[in-house]
Amino acid sequence: DVVMTQSPLSLPVTLGQPASISCRSSQSLVYSDGDTYLNWFQQRPGQSPRRLIYKVSNRDSGVPDRFSGSGSGTDFTLKISRVEAEDVGIYYCMQATHWPYSFGQGSKLELK
Amino acid sequence: QVQLQESGPGLVKASETLSLTCSVSGDSISTYYWSWIRQSPGKGLEWVGYMSYGGDTNYNPSLKSRVTISADTSKNQFSLKLSSVTAADTAVYYCARGAGGHWGQGTLVTVFS
Repeated sequence: DVVMTQSPLSLPVTLGQPASISCRSSQSLVYSDGDTYLNWFQQRPGQSPRRLIYKVSNRDSGVPDRFSGSGSGTDFTLKISRVEAEDVGIYYCMQATHWPYSFGQGSKLELK
Repeated sequence: QVQLQESGPGLVKASETLSLTCSVSGDSISTYYWSWIRQSPGKGLEWVGYMSYGGDTNYNPSLKSRVTISADTSKNQFSLKLSSVTAADTAVYYCARGAGGHWGQGTLVTVFS
């Protein structure tokens, strides 16, 4: 199985400041069709996960443009340009290239 | 707007079968593919399996012998059955479209002995 490793696991951030989460996969996430199926999810307290980013860098509908994704192969990053109070929660990377699909352990963003 | 809603018993006795249903609105389950995902404190988020619009299924190898995902297209629903459950199967179970573009609210299933 593909292991997804996130860092940091805890991310205290001041309002208005940037934040960055790293995700590394144990195998390349490039699929045979040439696409890379790496997604990012946000889970706010008491809610279901919500997809923010798909295929490395594509924002889902309604996702603020302060969220951006980048990376390739086995190394990926989620960046928040200016953290807002509503961004508090746990962020997960997830790969959908290899079966079974797998998630990272989660990175908890909280406000300082 | 695609909406998914899980339903089923919140308590299941150990060794018995967990059964959940996902009702879908705003889209047809005869298109795309549909997944079950679970979340527990011990194992985090785990993909249980999925069913494609053509009826093909793919199950997590760690659960494969115990899992069945099926569809009722007349009701626009799909279902999860997990047999021989143990305490390790206690989790919040989510249904989702595809690789997680849309999720249900989740339902907590507790296995008791």
